[in-house]
Amino acid sequence: EAQVTQNPRYLITVTGKKLTVTCSQNMNHEYMSWYRQDPGLGLRQIYYSMNVEVTDKGDVPEGYKVSRKEKRNFPLILESPSPNQTSLYFCASSLFTSKREDSYNEQFFGPGTRLTVL
Amino acid sequence: RKEVEQDPGPFNVPEGATVAFNCTYSNSASQSFFWYRQDCRKEPKLLMSVYSSGNEDGRFTAQLNRASQYISLLIRDSKLSDSATYLCVVNIAFGNQFYFGTGTSLTVIP
Repeated sequence: EAQVTQNPRYLITVTGKKLTVTCSQNMNHEYMSWYRQDPGLGLRQIYYSMNVEVTDKGDVPEGYKVSRKEKRNFPLILESPSPNQTSLYFCASSLFTSKREDSYNEQFFGPGTRLTVL
Repeated sequence: RKEVEQDPGPFNVPEGATVAFNCTYSNSASQSFFWYRQDCRKEPKLLMSVYSSGNEDGRFTAQLNRASQYISLLIRDSKLSDSATYLCVVNIAFGNQFYFGTGTSLTVIP
């Protein structure tokens, strides 16, 4: 089954304790991305990657790191989490294409990780 | 200024009604456009892409007006199962950054 998986699904942690949220896709997609979703603010892009070893900042990258050593995996790292990083996080993947006006850029989302930083 | 703006609603409509959602985007370089649906804080799922010529999928019709930087979604004959939050999404420069609207909440009432 084609899917994006995230782990853990729920995490409660304390300020300053490093954590990693894993993301994996089995669709051989080049493009992967991380979002956070907060009430009233919608989904905001944290980082994205267009291929292995190619990553770039999204709208809200501060306090986060990513790596893309393999095509299927795109972990999100919080080196020193703070309470303002309490949020619902989604990983997504898609084919990377410059083809105009099609759904090839459709993003497939993981089930989400609900993170609470105390 | 936000990249993508949507009326948050909520829209409460009776079954069978027609409802329209609007969305504006600020970057004229935007390349591709989508409507996603999100149920109860679950993951967003693609409802439909939005093409310049307009496109229809069953009861759903999407329109794009590049001159006005405006996207719309029309839902005809609303069903209870259409109750969800609808997200307008804009992609800048194919495959790079995606910007999401905050979503429009729809509740279809029996």
